[in-house]
Amino acid sequence: AQSVTQPDIHITVSEGASLELRCNYSYGATPYLFWYVQSPGQGLQLLLKYFSGDTLVQGIKGFEAEFKRSQSSFNLRKPSVHWSDAAEYFCAVGNKAAGNKLTFGGGTRVLVKP
Amino acid sequence: AAGVIQSPRHLIKEKRETATLKCYPIPRHDTVYWYQQGPGQDPQFLISFYEKMQSDKGSIPDRFSAQQFSDYHSELNMSSLELGDSALYFCASSLTASTGELFFGEGSRLTVL
Repeated sequence: AQSVTQPDIHITVSEGASLELRCNYSYGATPYLFWYVQSPGQGLQLLLKYFSGDTLVQGIKGFEAEFKRSQSSFNLRKPSVHWSDAAEYFCAVGNKAAGNKLTFGGGTRVLVKP
Repeated sequence: AAGVIQSPRHLIKEKRETATLKCYPIPRHDTVYWYQQGPGQDPQFLISFYEKMQSDKGSIPDRFSAQQFSDYHSELNMSSLELGDSALYFCASSLTASTGELFFGEGSRLTVL
């Protein structure tokens, strides 16, 4: 069975500072990995995705993530945070064998200080 | 490009009532997924359909049922509603033979009073 852990429930970061959100997954083979962002009461917006190939993935809004098989991690990073980045971030894992069903992590809420 | 359409976007019901949510997948997508996201929670997988047949089942209560119709739209039926059913319900679709990316709708917010 696949699972995802996001160790940080809340992160507070100053505007302009860098941000890193941690994601660890559990799955025997190479999974599909995703990061979504959700503003309060809104839908899920896909930031980036990893299926195979280059382990450093570029996404929208200046985000990037790196797949590290040895650490079973897919951490999300942004060099300089904007106030509009305040939101809930979800890491998710899927795989073909499970019909591409996604399993989400518990989410990390990001607060941005002015 | 066409996206996943969910209706209604907002729904208010009383306890013990019934609610039906509808999902229209992206054209030519063959798989539909339903997720439930309670307040402050992560989305939880409920059920999925591949080519109109149930393909997987998650933590869906027995009071809930779902189906996919010949035109590939799907409906989630919820009966004997409880306060705890108040949540954001997401539908997603994918093309199984493709990369495995799920495309999510905007969600339907159900409030049970």
